[in-house]
Amino acid sequence: EIVLTQSPGTLSLSPGERATLSCRASQSVSSNYLAWFQQKPGQAPRLLIYGASIRATGIPDRFSGSGSGTDFTLTISRLEPEDFAVYYCQNYGGSPPWTFGQGTKVEIK
Amino acid sequence: EVQLVESGGHLVQPGGSLRLSCAASGFIFSDFSMNWVRQAPGKGLEWLSYISSRSSDIFYADSVKGRFTISRDNAKNSLFLQMNSLRVEDTAVYYCARDNGYLSFDSWGQGSLVTVSS
Repeated sequence: EIVLTQSPGTLSLSPGERATLSCRASQSVSSNYLAWFQQKPGQAPRLLIYGASIRATGIPDRFSGSGSGTDFTLTISRLEPEDFAVYYCQNYGGSPPWTFGQGTKVEIK
Repeated sequence: EVQLVESGGHLVQPGGSLRLSCAASGFIFSDFSMNWVRQAPGKGLEWLSYISSRSSDIFYADSVKGRFTISRDNAKNSLFLQMNSLRVEDTAVYYCARDNGYLSFDSWGQGSLVTVSS
């Protein structure tokens, strides 16, 4: 089982600032099958990034993903008010289980 | 528009059973694998189970193996999760999610709350 560790646990930033979220895997993620999801209170998760760096349909270009192997990053270039939420990374390649990180909360400073 | 709507969640006693359903619309259901994912109150996401488009491949997380059963009815565009021997720690919102291969879990339902308590 691949364990995903996200850091930091909480990120306190102001609108307009840059957010950098990290996701580290306990072993190499198969073919970069690494996704990022956004979740707001009371809502279902929303796919942002798949294949480590490909934005899902309708996702603004201020969201970008990078990385390979065991180290991945989600960057939000300039935070908008609607971006304050919890973000999860997910390994969805290879054999199950397809694990999620524990989440990073991006909160308003 | 892709829509997934879960139903069937409610309060059940420890040791009890429950069957969740997920009604799909807006896409060719029989072309896609599906998953169940849950989220305990205030906690993160936990993948539970996968079923391929024709039900030929089924996988479970260790936490539910032997207690939960995933199934689907392609004629009725529906996904199911039969949950037996429920425990207090199974209390969570249960989501169904479409598996789009390299595009990961690209559509999710709104979730169905299961509460296990005496």
